[in-house]
Amino acid sequence: EDKVVQSPLSLVVHEGDTVTLNCSYEVTNFRSLLWYKQEKKAPTFLFMLTSSGIEKKSGRLSSILDKKELFSILNITATQTGDSAVYLCAAENNDMRFGAGTRLTVKP
Amino acid sequence: DSGVTQTPKHLITATGQRVTLRCSPRSGDLSVYWYQQSLDQGLQFLIQYYNGEERAKGNILERFSAQQFPDLHSELNLSSLELGDSALYFCASSAFHRGREDGYTFGSGTRLTVV
Repeated sequence: EDKVVQSPLSLVVHEGDTVTLNCSYEVTNFRSLLWYKQEKKAPTFLFMLTSSGIEKKSGRLSSILDKKELFSILNITATQTGDSAVYLCAAENNDMRFGAGTRLTVKP
Repeated sequence: DSGVTQTPKHLITATGQRVTLRCSPRSGDLSVYWYQQSLDQGLQFLIQYYNGEERAKGNILERFSAQQFPDLHSELNLSSLELGDSALYFCASSAFHRGREDGYTFGSGTRLTVV
């Protein structure tokens, strides 16, 4: 059965800390790995990763995929309170299967 | 505004009733996905349509059905509603026929409360 597992489930840090969120997947006919940020409403797109070893960056956020070990990480450096959210990863094949998410809380 | 429009935003209905949720995808997107998100649960994939045809099915109950119309908007029909169907229902769209570096775009969701 296809599955996507995220860890940790929740994380509390202080402003300025660096965090690493993990996502492992077992999905048949894998096409891509996507990361989303969900605050109070709809998930908003962060990254789509299709190739191993190529880091994608957007400001303080970066992500990389390892297709051999079947995992991805999302790094956030110099965290801010506005980074507090649930971070979702999803593995895409014929549909998009989401993990349960990591709830990140950044304290001032 | 993500470009994906969902209506209504909120819906309160009684058990046993039937409701229809509507989604208009982002302009140019042919695929529509429906997801259910219950309290403390992740996003559960329900069903996908591509250009009017069902493409993939997830854990969608038999009481639920969906369709995509020629103008590409989609409707999710939920019948014989139970208390456990209370959830946030999201629609997302994507374009397989053009570059997808922007991933899938989600609507703001419909919050369904069954009482």
